[in-house]
Amino acid sequence: GAVVSQHPSRVICKSGTSVKIECRSLDFQATTMFWYRQFPKKSLMLMATSNEGSKATYEQGVEKDKFLINHASLTLSTLTVTSAHPEDSSFYICSARDQTRGNTIYFGEGSWLTVV
Amino acid sequence: QQQVKQSPQSLIVQKGGISIINCAYENTAFDYFPWYQQFPGKGPALLIAIRPDVSEKKEGRFTISFNKSAKQFSLHIMDSQPGDSATYFCAANQGRGYKLSFGAGTTVTVRA
Repeated sequence: GAVVSQHPSRVICKSGTSVKIECRSLDFQATTMFWYRQFPKKSLMLMATSNEGSKATYEQGVEKDKFLINHASLTLSTLTVTSAHPEDSSFYICSARDQTRGNTIYFGEGSWLTVV
Repeated sequence: QQQVKQSPQSLIVQKGGISIINCAYENTAFDYFPWYQQFPGKGPALLIAIRPDVSEKKEGRFTISFNKSAKQFSLHIMDSQPGDSATYFCAANQGRGYKLSFGAGTTVTVRA
C-alpha cells in the first residue's frame, strides 16, 4: 500500500511553546490530507481537512488559531500546535488521499505529543 | 454524534476461531466502507475496503460482508491468529470531501 510518513514520531515540549508535526505522502501526490487526534482507547477524531494550496477546513470545536495547518505542497502537510498546554498532549495522526488508487485513504504512523 | 455504530467494543477469540465485528450506518450517501487495523502506538493501517455495489469482498483471511438494504457491514477474520490482536475500526466515506466517519473501534484479543 501507499506510504504516509509522519515526523516526529514522539515529541516532548514545554508548556507555552509551539511544536510542528509533518505529514508526507512518500509515493503519491495528495491534494487532500487529514489530521486526527486520538485519545487512549478511543476512536479517531477528525480535526481538520488540509487542502493543497488553500486554507484548511476545521471541524467544529477545533481552534484554528491553536492548530495551524499548512499544506504547501502535494506531498507535505504540517500541523503546528501553538502555545501548547498539557491538555494538548495526545496522539496525532495524519492521513492522505491517493487519487491514483481510487481515493483510498492511507494513514501515517502517528505522532505522540507530550506537553510538560 | 457517531455516524457509524460499531460492535462489540471488545472480543476474545481462540486461535483458529472466527472474529466478527459489525457496523451500522444511517447516511445512505456513504459509498466507501474501509476497515482499519491499529496496533498500540501505531497509526491505523488499511485492511480491506468495499463499495456498495458488491455484497462481499475477501482478501486472505479477511472478509467484508455488506448489506445495503440493512445499512450494515461486517468484518470476518477467519482462522484468527495471535498476531491479529489489535483494535479494528470500521469507517464510512461519502464521495465528496472524502472525510471518513469512524466507528468506536473493537479490540480483538486472540488467545493462543
